[in-house]
Amino acid sequence: GAVVSQHPSRVICKSGTSVKIECRSLDFQATTMFWYRQFPKQSLMLMATSNEGSKATYEQGVEKDKFLINHASLTLSTLTVTSAHPEDSSFYICSARRRTSGSTDTQYFGPGTRLTVL
Amino acid sequence: GENVEQHPSTLSVQEGDSAVIKCTYSDSASNYFPWYKQELGKRPQLIIDIRSNVGEKKDQRIAVTLNKTAKHFSLHITETQPEDSAVYFCAASQETSGSRLTFGEGTQLTVNP
Repeated sequence: GAVVSQHPSRVICKSGTSVKIECRSLDFQATTMFWYRQFPKQSLMLMATSNEGSKATYEQGVEKDKFLINHASLTLSTLTVTSAHPEDSSFYICSARRRTSGSTDTQYFGPGTRLTVL
Repeated sequence: GENVEQHPSTLSVQEGDSAVIKCTYSDSASNYFPWYKQELGKRPQLIIDIRSNVGEKKDQRIAVTLNKTAKHFSLHITETQPEDSAVYFCAASQETSGSRLTFGEGTQLTVNP
């Protein structure tokens, strides 16, 4: 159990276009999902926390108008990179928080989306 | 906010040897410490985690120790195998505050046959 999917796995787009990435929890409900960005040989940097039914919380330095997040259901969160530029090229990974017993949580990661902006 | 430091950044061992990766954290309110293994181009996979009410946890060849007083925790892999080669990340969070994970910088572990 605790499977998280992400689509697409890879996308190449032209500069100036928008790209939508979907993150789904397949076998559990996730009131909270997280979006990370990872550059080659670097750690995961949290971009934003996505809460079902409310506005996302963005980390300092992340432009909310450029990285639009929508968490419309308990199993789906989307990240839209608007007007993408080459510097937005990166590996984007989502995770979904699953509440196990009592108040304990575990985060499960999606397989990631490799975005290349030409 | 929380700051997690991880050492070493690279670690090379011979097959069968043990590997130890260490992390320190800054926020004494953190109470959940997971370790993730990430192979190239793949998702991070949770391999073991520990909560602040225990000092040590073991799962077959993998163990994690936690010293809350010193604010550090370590990953121990015994009898390493080539398939253990990957990047390992430690992380810290407060489970009662939304589980926002702060990651260490990662350790590239290479197990030589």
